[in-house]
Amino acid sequence: SQQGEEDPQALSIQEGENATMNCSYKTSINNLQWYRQNSGRGLVHLILIRSNEREKHSGRLRVTLDTSKKSSSLLITASRAADTASYFCATDLQGAQKLVFGQGTRLTINP
Amino acid sequence: GAVVSQHPSWVICKSGTSVKIECRSLDFQATTMFWYRQFPKQSLMLMATSNEGSKATYEQGVEKDKFLINHASLTLSTLTVTSAHPEDSSFYICSARGGTHEGPQHFGDGTRLSIL
Repeated sequence: SQQGEEDPQALSIQEGENATMNCSYKTSINNLQWYRQNSGRGLVHLILIRSNEREKHSGRLRVTLDTSKKSSSLLITASRAADTASYFCATDLQGAQKLVFGQGTRLTINP
Repeated sequence: GAVVSQHPSWVICKSGTSVKIECRSLDFQATTMFWYRQFPKQSLMLMATSNEGSKATYEQGVEKDKFLINHASLTLSTLTVTSAHPEDSSFYICSARGGTHEGPQHFGDGTRLSIL
């Protein structure tokens, strides 16, 4: 079964608002990664946060990681129409060289 | 940097045909490549992991003889869907990772396969 569960499954907000997506996982990880996928395209890596990190920033993105709760969140500030996409968290499991993806959040930014 | 090229982007073919999809890392050496399958509005499902020069490791439930994977060089992996049937229609995506086992994966743009 999938390691990660994301919520919400879909999110629709107005341009300029902040968007928050959450991800939960089940087992110990080396790191957690967030990816973005535009419709019909491949995935683009956004940010990686290691298991010993609690927060990371990249431009308008802010990621948090709580290993005690086995959860992470992705915050996109000052959203733009171009941010419309699906966002996936992926866990890099200890002892494995593969990523396990969550179900994804479909984000729609309305102009 | 870290560009992955996947070809073809779109294939339509008749049932029973074998289809080969190529995945190339253009500006880095991909020690590991991954093949995923994605159904509409769903997440990625890992099919197999391939390391250069060795046999691919398939996920449970993925038929090895159906989905042939070759990773003959550090820049090229291929997925061949043998004797494809309509149920094999899907979006197939490859990714590649360089030397470290803990870095991000770099994805191709996917191949939409439609079997008539």
